Amino acid sequence: SQQGEEDPQALSIQEGENATMNCSYKTSINNLQWYRQNSGRGLVHLILIRSNEREKHSGRLRVTLDTSKKSSSLLITASRAADTASYFCATDAEGGSEKLVFGKGTKLTVNP
Amino acid sequence: DAGVIQSPRHEVTEMGQEVTLRCKPISGHDYLFWYRQTMMRGLELLIYFNNNVPIDDSGMPEDRFSAKMPNASFSTLKIQPSEPRDSAVYFCASSFGTFSYEQYFGPGTRLTVT
Repeated sequence: SQQGEEDPQALSIQEGENATMNCSYKTSINNLQWYRQNSGRGLVHLILIRSNEREKHSGRLRVTLDTSKKSSSLLITASRAADTASYFCATDAEGGSEKLVFGKGTKLTVNP
Repeated sequence: DAGVIQSPRHEVTEMGQEVTLRCKPISGHDYLFWYRQTMMRGLELLIYFNNNVPIDDSGMPEDRFSAKMPNASFSTLKIQPSEPRDSAVYFCASSFGTFSYEQYFGPGTRLTVT
């Protein structure tokens, strides 16, 4: 059962601009993860934020989590062409399962 | 460590043939996951193992799919017989745990069934 859904489905920006992607989920979670997938490659973990955290940073990435709204956002600052990829959020599945459930992703294109 | 290794990277086969995908997880990881990715359905978890034991195979679409993990360093996903709708990219991932841990993905196997 799908938990997280990303928004928008696609995003196109110019190099140097900031990119914001959102993820909404349905039921309470223990943590939320963001992954990146470059074309033709496997997913790469970016950041994990726990349910008791509100914000987390990693380099040019900033992730926020609002458990009251059941949503998270991923901000990439000063984007580069190399940031072009699909970005997925993942949460623990509904019903207390141990599984990690991925959304369908946001396809980000950064134009040079 | 070389990361998660999958083979083959590409597989083209005819409908009805048996297909075997292989995965070598990162040494020391207790969990191994098999996913399937398609445009229509996104990334779906097929099955996962803990310490070589299958824990949840509820995502396996049909009896034509089977997975094994004979030891900590090797797993296979077999499709027999294969059908065109099985065409997808199959990923193997490993981790130290389940949803509270990051997963390390292999490069995937792109399967095309004609």
